[in-house]
Amino acid sequence: QQQVKQSPQSLIVQKGGIPIINCAYENTAFDYFPWYQQFPGKGPALLIAIRPDVSEKKEGRFTISFNKSAKQFSLHIMDSQPGDSATYFCGGDSGGGADGLTFGKGTHLIIQP
Amino acid sequence: DAGITQSPRHKVTETGTPVTLRCHQTENHRYMYWYRQDPGHGLRLIHYSYGVKDTDKGEVSDGYSVSRSKTEDFLLTLESATSSQTSVYFCAISSRTGNNSPLHFGNGTRLTVT
Repeated sequence: QQQVKQSPQSLIVQKGGIPIINCAYENTAFDYFPWYQQFPGKGPALLIAIRPDVSEKKEGRFTISFNKSAKQFSLHIMDSQPGDSATYFCGGDSGGGADGLTFGKGTHLIIQP
Repeated sequence: DAGITQSPRHKVTETGTPVTLRCHQTENHRYMYWYRQDPGHGLRLIHYSYGVKDTDKGEVSDGYSVSRSKTEDFLLTLESATSSQTSVYFCAISSRTGNNSPLHFGNGTRLTVT
């Protein structure tokens, strides 16, 4: 059972554009939704996260939009740069135990100069 | 990289041989995890540990075993490697204090089983 569905699988955007990555979840016990960023040859690193009591969170050029009723959330990257090219993973965490975090399958993002 | 070292970084082995991957942390975090990353599948949890000698299975644990004899070390063993275990393996740690502490990942081990 895939508890977090992420789309698209890959995405190419021109520099300065706004890539949007979408995630949908099924488990209503999730109460924390992180996004991880992974560069080639490196492990994923936490980028930004949101809790379901807010509809939007911004950190620099990265914004999470959250729709609790639809059980969907998305990552927007404003003024995207080639250095943002990476794989992005969304996640849902129920906090119920060591294995409470479930990841989406990832989006390979390329920002073209 | 949050004080996480994975070794080796690359390994090529033959089908049927045993393989052990090591994760070492200097953060004194209680929770440690092994994930594998494959194209189209994302990150899948293999095993995790919530303390010394306390481990449990994740989503894709068949063919893998783990051990944690010290807080800082978490070993992943493939008893008899198969080609389907060719993957990139990531160790992660978390304090899991409070609600939803983030995972900190190592830089991975690329394993090829021929």
